[in-house]
Amino acid sequence: GENVEQHPSTLSVQEGDSAVIKCTYSDSASNYFPWYKQELGKGPQLIIDIRSNVGEKKDQRIAVTLNKTAKHFSLHITETQPEDSAVYFCAAREYGGATNKLIFGTGTLLAVQP
Amino acid sequence: DAGVIQSPRHEVTEMGQEVTLRCKPISGHDYLFWYRQTMMRGLELLIYFNNNVPIDDSGMPEDRFSAKMPNASFSTLKIQPSEPRDSAVYFCASSLAFDEQFFGPGTRLTVL
Repeated sequence: GENVEQHPSTLSVQEGDSAVIKCTYSDSASNYFPWYKQELGKGPQLIIDIRSNVGEKKDQRIAVTLNKTAKHFSLHITETQPEDSAVYFCAAREYGGATNKLIFGTGTLLAVQP
Repeated sequence: DAGVIQSPRHEVTEMGQEVTLRCKPISGHDYLFWYRQTMMRGLELLIYFNNNVPIDDSGMPEDRFSAKMPNASFSTLKIQPSEPRDSAVYFCASSLAFDEQFFGPGTRLTVL
């Protein structure tokens, strides 16, 4: 089955700096890769996603890149702000027979220091 | 739209008791998912429904867990009997298609 690894587990940056979180996946059949932001005491919130027919997608200060050959994808946050502090999860959609599910990474705790 | 609604937000119960978690998906969404989040296992899918029909329940840990979706606007996850290892945050999510899942605020369950 699909396996998603996420790094780093914690990331501390200064306000205004950029932050990059990286994930790798194992199943070459996976074709959908969402990123979620989870604030303390809340449910995960979808912030951006990318499909395997696209190499990069941007939405204001956040962007996601996908390298299908290397089977890795990354989240890029520019001009970080204190409100970006949260846990970020990557995920990959697993296909296989009757299997159809999102497999999540272990999360990255991002702290933006003012 | 109010988003996915879950109740209760917190539940504390004693081992052996029955626990029922409730979810109201976003109106018009055809898919409903139940997830469990723990420090040890992260976010894991328990079961999902499409048009009120259970499609994949392979993530349900034991027969003590059951889920129903009697109509398009309501689902329950029941644990009977509950055990301390069931303590976790349980999320319900819904989506129009399978992708772009929207999560509810979660129910924090503590089994003593």
